[in-house]
This record gives sequence, C-alpha cells and structure tokens, in this order.
Amino acid sequence: SQKIEQNSEALNIQEGKTATLTCNYTNYSPAYLQWYRQDPGRGPVFLLLIRENEKEKRKERLKVTFDTTLKQSLFHITASQPADSATYLCALPSRDSWGKLQFGSGTQVVVTP
Amino acid sequence: GAVVSQHPSWVICKSGTSVKIECRSLDFQATTMFWYRQFPKQSLMLMATSNEGSKATYEQGVEKDKFLINHASLTLSTLTVTSAHPEDSSFYICSARVNRGNGVEQFFGPGTRLTVL
Repeated sequence: SQKIEQNSEALNIQEGKTATLTCNYTNYSPAYLQWYRQDPGRGPVFLLLIRENEKEKRKERLKVTFDTTLKQSLFHITASQPADSATYLCALPSRDSWGKLQFGSGTQVVVTP
Repeated sequence: GAVVSQHPSWVICKSGTSVKIECRSLDFQATTMFWYRQFPKQSLMLMATSNEGSKATYEQGVEKDKFLINHASLTLSTLTVTSAHPEDSSFYICSARVNRGNGVEQFFGPGTRLTVL
C-alpha cells in the first residue's frame, strides 16, 4: 500500500498569509489525489480532486498542485482566515480496489487574527 | 451536495455490550459505503467496505465477527461493535461513494464517538 506523508506539526499562520501544506507519497502514482478538511469531532469534507494529468487546480482561495515526478502534492490556502483553521487531509485512491481511499494523517492549520 | 448522516453522534457503553451505529445517505442512493476508525491525532483507517445486498469486505486485521456490517438498503449501512471493550473506544466515521463525471468522491458522515467504560 501507499505510504502517505503529511507534516505532523501544526502550521501556525497569520491571517491574510498563504498556508502551504505538503503531501508526499512513496509508491505508485495515483490516477488522482484528493484533499479534505476535517474539523475537530467531525467527519472530513471533500475540497478538491486533482488528476494525474493536471498540474494545478483552483477553487476559490484554494490551490492544489500535483507533481507525479516528485510524488508530491501541494495545497495552498491564500488570504487565509481564522475560519480556515482545521486539519487538512490528503487522500489517494487504493490501487487494489476502485473507490477506496487511503488517507494521510493530516496537517493542522491554525490561522491567527 | 450529497449528505450523509450518522446516528448516534456519541455513545457511552459498558464493556461487553454491543453498540450499533447507523449511516444513512439522505438525498442519494449509495451502493457502496465505507467504515473508518480514527484514533486521536491519527489518520482515518479504513475498516471495511459495505456493499448493498452483499457481504462487507474487511481490511486486513479487522475482525469481521467483532465489527458486523449490514448494508440492507441503498441508503442505510450499519456497523455493530459486538462485545465492546475499552480499546474499541474511538471515532467511527462512515462515507458513501459517489461517482462523478471527473472521478469518485466520498461524502462523509459526521462521525460517532464511542466510549467503552
């Protein structure tokens, strides 16, 4: 199975700045990669999906890049707001079963006013 | 967007009892649902894949006789933790798979906090 690595240390950032999170995987390159947001005591919420042939994807203040050569995805939150404070998870599809996802451990983002 | 609900949102039970958790897709039909477990500060770990009308597929290391899954309809999957013990205390989350034109998305329920005393 994939080994998915996300920075376990919380990212503390000032409001208005850009937060950048990293997701690295070690094994096969997936057909797509997803990012989710999880608030404490809640289930994850889907944010973005980026396919292997897409270099970049944007949704409002969010931007995701996907570099299959580096086996890495970067997740950017621009003009960050305190409401963006949450844990962000990257997820890759399982190669052995369609529709199954494998999740990274997530990176907590704390945006201070 | 697709909405998934779970019930109960939290439950406290005595060791040795069984607990049932429901996962419902509210505005769509889900032939496939997934059950995850999440310990504090850790990632979501897939426990099993629940398929409507057939037996669930369990991940390696998950005891199928302890975690009973039933997916009797296209909108409901249940997870029963049998003879629960304190080490089963965790956050249980279900999700439903939705096929989109550009890929597959999973919509998650709000989770169920299980505490076994």
